[in-house]
Amino acid sequence: DTAVSQTPKYLVTQMGNDKSIKCEQNLGHDTMYWYKQDSKKFLKIMFSYNNKELIINETVPNRFSPKSPDKAHLNLHINSLELGDSAVYFCASSQGFTNTEAFFGQGTRLTVV
Amino acid sequence: GDSVTQMEGPVTLSEEAFLTINCTYTATGYPSLFWYVQYPGEGLQLLLKATKADDKGSNKGFEATYRKETTSFHLEKGSVQVSDSAVYFCALSDQPGKLIFGQGTTLQVKP
Repeated sequence: DTAVSQTPKYLVTQMGNDKSIKCEQNLGHDTMYWYKQDSKKFLKIMFSYNNKELIINETVPNRFSPKSPDKAHLNLHINSLELGDSAVYFCASSQGFTNTEAFFGQGTRLTVV
Repeated sequence: GDSVTQMEGPVTLSEEAFLTINCTYTATGYPSLFWYVQYPGEGLQLLLKATKADDKGSNKGFEATYRKETTSFHLEKGSVQVSDSAVYFCALSDQPGKLIFGQGTTLQVKP
């Protein structure tokens, strides 16, 4: 009964491909996030969703398209993958948009070759 | 813009040593401050937080005090264990829906 779960855990793909990462939370939270962690472990927010609506988009290239079918899910689709997209992507959730006490998933390590 | 700066790692200590990981921040408002911990192969977990000046957050023997005058939120523990080996992230939030993280500090504790 993992609180925030992401699939897959590892993803290796070629440049130019399109891939998706799925995220689900069973905490009843209404706010979800995607963060990117680079090779130096630097973490940066990509998107924030509140009640299925996009609230924050941190100048992420439009090749990245998040989708929230319901409050418990926030998926990340990436088109035309580039080498620089290689990173660990973390999904997170929190109870309420003003509450930034976030619960994180285990991460998806994306390697683009 | 707002930012968080942490001391560079790795920090290597012997078991039962005293730990300090420095964190300073730059923010235009009055942010909430957090320490998150990432154990190997896992996601981040909230370790402690403080929401206003002079607040002290504490958990599992770790402490940090929100110092507005020095814009700092240093993490301390009196006696570290091997199981504390992890990456520690200082973070701030002064805007709903957004955490700004420092670069992380790797702690290695040797028996």
